[in-house]
Amino acid sequence: AQSVTQLDSQVPVFEEAPVELRCNYSSSVSVYLFWYVQYPNQGLQLLLKYLSGSTLVESINGFEAEFNKSQTSFHLRKPSVHISDTAEYFCAVSSSGGSNYKLTFGKGTLLTVNP
Amino acid sequence: DTEVTQTPKHLVMGMTNKKSLKCEQHMGHRAMYWYKQKAKKPPELMFVYSYEKLSINESVPSRFSPECPNSSLLNLHLHALQPEDSALYLCASSLQVWNSPLHFGNGTRLTVT
Repeated sequence: AQSVTQLDSQVPVFEEAPVELRCNYSSSVSVYLFWYVQYPNQGLQLLLKYLSGSTLVESINGFEAEFNKSQTSFHLRKPSVHISDTAEYFCAVSSSGGSNYKLTFGKGTLLTVNP
Repeated sequence: DTEVTQTPKHLVMGMTNKKSLKCEQHMGHRAMYWYKQKAKKPPELMFVYSYEKLSINESVPSRFSPECPNSSLLNLHLHALQPEDSALYLCASSLQVWNSPLHFGNGTRLTVT
């Protein structure tokens, strides 16, 4: 079985400050890792993904995440946040092998960026 | 703009009504999903279709009935719902089941009175 833990349910920060949203996972097989963002009254949008290759992945809006196999983590970072980054962020994992491909979500982290 | 389109955006229905939620994608994806999301919670998987066949039913009550008429369309038929079924219902699609990222629609906000 696989699971995802998002260590912080809420993260308040000031505009232009750096932010890190933490995500740890457990799985007995190789994994694919994702970060999704959900703005108010909208569906989920894929922010970035790790499938294979380089362990550092970046999105077009300045977020990045690093896959750390030894620490089973996939933390999301941004060096300088904007008010518009206020949203719910979900970390998710699916297995890349075996019979259980199901996408498992963490409980989410609400990022609130204050002026 | 999302490439997965869900209608209606909002729906209010009584416990004796019958209604349907609709989802459409034209990305050539062969896997489609229904999720239920309660406020401040992650999405919960309900159903998965692969190549228009139901492949996963997460023990969802029979008052929810999915249908996949073709590779681009996914419906969720609702009948005799309960107030606790009020939630955001999200449709998603992916190239094939699970092995590629899911693309989500903006959801249907359902209220059962």
